Amino acid sequence: DTEVTQTPKHLVMGMTNKKSLKCEQHMGHRAMYWYKQKAKKPPELMFVYSYEKLSINESVPSRFSPECPNSSLLNLHLHALQPEDSALYLCASSQGWGQETQYFGPGTRLLVL
Amino acid sequence: AQKVTQAQTEISVVEKEDVTLDCVYETRDTTYYLFWYKQPPSGELVFLIRRNSFDEQNEISGRYSWNFQKSTSSFNFTITASQVVDSAVYFCALSGTMDSNYQLIWGAGTKLIIKP
Repeated sequence: DTEVTQTPKHLVMGMTNKKSLKCEQHMGHRAMYWYKQKAKKPPELMFVYSYEKLSINESVPSRFSPECPNSSLLNLHLHALQPEDSALYLCASSQGWGQETQYFGPGTRLLVL
Repeated sequence: AQKVTQAQTEISVVEKEDVTLDCVYETRDTTYYLFWYKQPPSGELVFLIRRNSFDEQNEISGRYSWNFQKSTSSFNFTITASQVVDSAVYFCALSGTMDSNYQLIWGAGTKLIIKP
């Protein structure tokens, strides 16, 4: 079952709100990823977790805070976002961190007002 | 440096036509992987294929086929007898190296429109 789930599907938040995006996979994968995708662009990597440890932070602003509670779950905590943070946020997982195939979730469409 | 070029920004064809999406890559690695993903309007990136640099055999999966040619650094994707459901943005990607933290190197994407 190659499925990654993400909630919520859509999110509208104000610049002073705090919200969280959730991602779950049950494929036994040990690497999980957060990507940000703006319209008509390819995804941009934000964070990589490997064996529940943060392995990569691509110079993402601190208003984005990732968390990996266990090997199946990945959260992205949002606080004091800016309108330019509006985008599609995609979660992905792979067997390991390296050159493995990444399987993506359906994404969360975020609008910051 | 590594790079993936998808020169076709948008392609529009009528249903049942065959269509080829081009992908040209640059890398100095001898071992690498190439990927194709489909992104329909719903937003989910759907994995289509992963190809090892040492395997130059063409791949066919139903109406989809892929032509990998190391000599021209290309990994083109052909849809035979296209259908409206094939309408999507298609991304070609190259596996990164340890130096780049294995990040996927993405092409800009090709938007494919299949008209009924």
